[in-house]
Amino acid sequence: DTGVSQNPRHKITKRGQNVTFRCDPISEHNRLYWYRQTLGQGPEFLTYFQNEAQLEKSRLLSDRFSAERPKGSFSTLEIQRTEQGDSAMYLCASSLIGRTGDEKLFFGSGTQLSVL
Amino acid sequence: GIQVEQSPPDLILQEGANSTLRCNFSDSVNNLQWFHQNPWGQLINLFYIPSGTKQNGRLSATTVATERYSLLYISSSQTTDSGVYFCAVEPDFGNEKLTFGTGTRLTIIP
Repeated sequence: DTGVSQNPRHKITKRGQNVTFRCDPISEHNRLYWYRQTLGQGPEFLTYFQNEAQLEKSRLLSDRFSAERPKGSFSTLEIQRTEQGDSAMYLCASSLIGRTGDEKLFFGSGTQLSVL
Repeated sequence: GIQVEQSPPDLILQEGANSTLRCNFSDSVNNLQWFHQNPWGQLINLFYIPSGTKQNGRLSATTVATERYSLLYISSSQTTDSGVYFCAVEPDFGNEKLTFGTGTRLTIIP
């Protein structure tokens, strides 16, 4: 169990540029989540996948945000035409949903995005 | 959506002290977890506890689902316990996933 891995750890970009973040979940986990955290707040849910299916995406902040998990393993989160308000920590979590429905989330270290 | 309130917002304690953190939520839930976010930003899962009581070393948690609250107990605090403690819940109904409270910031002074 190597934990949830996120890359890059930090990303600085100029307003208007596109950025993409990667998340590698714990290998046997079937669910993968993306959250966003701003200073002084708790993480805010964005979207999640079960295997390769994106089951909920209505919480993505705008149509500039999109996520993929093409083979049910790693996932990417893309933000197009970044704005200064997109500056935040982007967190990925994974879980193994069991037969009983019990589900415990494990988080990566996050990608800190700064939009100048 | 579901509301999650944590108290107190800030807590400063001497090393060795005990503390109780509270989480109130507005609807019935099927998932409740406690997390510790350390000073480097890493979120660590402490407990999955939608109901009942669990203990892990110096930490224990109790959720009274019928009264919509959960408590996290930390005994014999150490400086490494410093950080922000989050409660997160998922409601029984609807499409909301795990929703976090605003956290309790705990500072342990040597």
